[in-house]
Amino acid sequence: EDKVVQSPLSLVVHEGDTVTLNCSYEVTNFRSLLWYKQEKKAPTFLFMLTSSGIEKKSGRLSSILDKKELFSILNITATQTGDSAVYLCAVEASGSARQLTFGSGTQLTVLP
Amino acid sequence: DVKVTQSSRYLVKRTGEKVFLECVQDMDHENMFWYRQDPGLGLRLIYFSYDVKMKEKGDIPEGYSVSREKKERFSLILESASTNQTSMYLCASRAPSTDTQYFGPGTRLTVL
Repeated sequence: EDKVVQSPLSLVVHEGDTVTLNCSYEVTNFRSLLWYKQEKKAPTFLFMLTSSGIEKKSGRLSSILDKKELFSILNITATQTGDSAVYLCAVEASGSARQLTFGSGTQLTVLP
Repeated sequence: DVKVTQSSRYLVKRTGEKVFLECVQDMDHENMFWYRQDPGLGLRLIYFSYDVKMKEKGDIPEGYSVSREKKERFSLILESASTNQTSMYLCASRAPSTDTQYFGPGTRLTVL
């Protein structure tokens, strides 16, 4: 059974701090790993990673995948209160509909 | 811009009622998914469909069924609602070639 574990479960920081969110996985026939941000609504897509060691970057957010050690990290630098959200990690295995297995998420709270 | 809509944002039903949750996407996506999201458990896949009239069980299909008579519409059915089906239900769609699933706004279902 495919499994995705995120840590920490929750995190409280102050504006300007840098945070690192972790995602480890066990999946048969790995295809990709995705990160989503969820505020009080539907998850929105952040990154998809398929290759080891290649950093994806979007503004203050970046992510990297280690396929040998089966984990990924999501970094957020110079955090802002608008970064407060649940961050979800999901892995995709090769399958007919490219279905995803999600972790339980990390609740990030950024205080002013 | 991809749009996934769900028939209700909030729904309250009684134990034993039959419940229909509707999801419609406007991007001609082949693949559609139903998840439920509960605190501490992340998103769990209930059912998915990779074509009209095709459906496959996800990780937690018990107590649910689905219908996909048209490409744009994917319905989740609770034949006899129970209190443990109180949850947030999220629908998503995806084309095989796209990086991500696109999520609807969610339906918060309460079963009394």
